Amino acid sequence: KAGVTQTPRYLIKTRGQQVTLSCSPISGHRSVSWYQQTPGQGLQFLFEYFSETQRNKGNFPGRFSGRQFSNSRSEMNVSTLELGDSALYLCASSVGSTGSYGYTFGSGTRLTVV
Amino acid sequence: SQQGEEDPQALSIQEGENATMNCSYKTSINNLQWYRQNSGRGLVHLILIRSNEREKHSGRLRVTLDTSKKSSSLLITASRAADTASYFCATVNNAGNMLTFGGGTRLMVKP
Repeated sequence: KAGVTQTPRYLIKTRGQQVTLSCSPISGHRSVSWYQQTPGQGLQFLFEYFSETQRNKGNFPGRFSGRQFSNSRSEMNVSTLELGDSALYLCASSVGSTGSYGYTFGSGTRLTVV
Repeated sequence: SQQGEEDPQALSIQEGENATMNCSYKTSINNLQWYRQNSGRGLVHLILIRSNEREKHSGRLRVTLDTSKKSSSLLITASRAADTASYFCATVNNAGNMLTFGGGTRLMVKP
């Protein structure tokens, strides 16, 4: 069974640019959530989608957005990149609509903003 | 914002010893989960304990949960060099659709 796939693995962007990250969940998992990991702030929740609907959003500016497609694949977009957006972005999928069975994480996309 | 804190922040032990990590959280939870992360890669789910459970085992892992103290502990017995990683606790609230992480414990197991 394939795991959670995130692309690309590494990305270097310039301040002011925008970026789109992709996440393919485990087949059959309908919930996809995104997390940002930085040395200073640790792991922080960005947003969660279930059946193409955003159900929850973390405390991030509107420059961070996402969506989920009918096949459960998800993308997140960051516009007008800032140096502080440099981080490891992790996607996680879970079966069902709650976190009652644990989450499977992808290997992450490491974004560097220069 | 993070749910709580993990203690210790870093732990160094010899192979074969036991490692204990503690986690505290702030709000009511549906369940608490422990994850491992190797060198900035993805997180690996280790074990989940529900709010109505007090102890759970999985192989060399033992997790306890005290909801009255809002705390949990992860015990790794007979540690191996391969257990070297960062360990995070994460809580799921009663809405059940997001993880709130602690700051993590960096474990080093020396061969």
